[in-house]
This record gives sequence, C-alpha cells and structure tokens, in this order.
Amino acid sequence: DTGVSQNPRHKITKRGQNVTFRCDPISEHNRLYWYRQTLGQGPEFLTYFQNEAQLEKSRLLSDRFSAERPKGSFSTLEIQRTEQGDSAMYLCASSLGTGDPPQHFGDGTRLSIL
Amino acid sequence: AQSVTQLDSQVPVFEEAPVELRCNYSSSVSVYLFWYVQYPNQGLQLLLKYLSGSTLVESINGFEAEFNKSQTSFHLRKPSVHISDTAEYFCAVSRIRSGYALNFGKGTSLLVTP
Repeated sequence: DTGVSQNPRHKITKRGQNVTFRCDPISEHNRLYWYRQTLGQGPEFLTYFQNEAQLEKSRLLSDRFSAERPKGSFSTLEIQRTEQGDSAMYLCASSLGTGDPPQHFGDGTRLSIL
Repeated sequence: AQSVTQLDSQVPVFEEAPVELRCNYSSSVSVYLFWYVQYPNQGLQLLLKYLSGSTLVESINGFEAEFNKSQTSFHLRKPSVHISDTAEYFCAVSRIRSGYALNFGKGTSLLVTP
C-alpha cells in the first residue's frame, strides 16, 4: 500500500494556459474522487469515478474542467483556459468501493495562476 | 442538500487539557458523518466516522465524537490533547447510499501549546 500519489505537487502557470494533474489511487481501489480546497476553506467535491465510469459531477466542475479515468486505474484532471479563481489545492482520494468513504487522500497538487 | 457548520475557526488549548471541536449539520435526508484531520502540506486523513449503530464513535488516538440527531451535531472531543494533535480538523457529511460525495465544513484549527 503505497498510498494515493498526486503529480505534480506544485504547478505554476499563466492565466489562460491549460494544466493537467494526475492521480494514482491505491491499487485495487475502485472509487476515485477529486476535491478542490482553497485557502482557509474545507475541500469541495468536484467529481468521482467508480472504476472508469464518472458517476457524479459537482456544479463546480465547469465546462473548462474535465476528468478521466480511462482504464479504471489512474485519473487525470484537466483545466482549460485557467483563471485566477482556479488557484487552489486539488486533492484526490480513493476508496475500496461500496460502503467505504474516501479515507485515503493524496497530498494534493497546488495550482498557482499568475 | 447537506451543509456543515464548524462553529469555531480556531481553538487554542494547553497540552493535556480537554478539547471539544463543534460541528453542526443540516440535511433533509439521513446522512453519514465524518471527522478528518489535515496536517500542514498534507492531504486529509479519516479520523472517525458515524454510519449507524452506537452514536458514540472513537478513534485509535483518543478522539471521540457523538452523533446527536435531535441537535444535528457531531462534536469531536478529546480528554487530554498532545502537541502532536495540532492540525486542521474538518467535519463532513454525506448522503446515505450516495457515492460518499462529502460536504465539508470550513475547518477548525486546533493549536496545542505547552
């Protein structure tokens, strides 16, 4: 059990650029979640996957955001045409499946928009 | 929709003193309740959870929380805190039979001093 791994840890980019983050969940964990955490706030749910199927998306996930989990293993979160308001910590979490809340979080990717 | 209110943004306490971190929730449906802890520059760790059964739940490091349905509360307590308990604590709620899409409170910063 190597834990949930997120890359990169930090990303600095200019407004208007596209960015992509990667999350590698714990092996054999079927569920994978993405959250966004801004300074001084609790994490906000973005979306989650059961295997490769994206089952729920928050209204926070605008059309500039897209998440994939093509083979039911790792996941990517892409933000297109980044804006200042996208600056945040993006957290990934995984869980084994039914009846198991997301208790294994990665250390996050901190995105800073210049 | 479900929402969580953490009544204290910061709680300073002396080492070995008791502490209570307050959490209230609102929901029109039955929910599961959670407490997570976040250390600086790290992801969240599940501290304890209430799904059903006994309303008093305990963690392995001495924390406990009690689910009070009539008061819609899930306060976190510890009879004697350590310096190492200094962290950010988040209360969270999710719908029963959902994908555990958690709604988090804004967090309470616990600062333990000698």
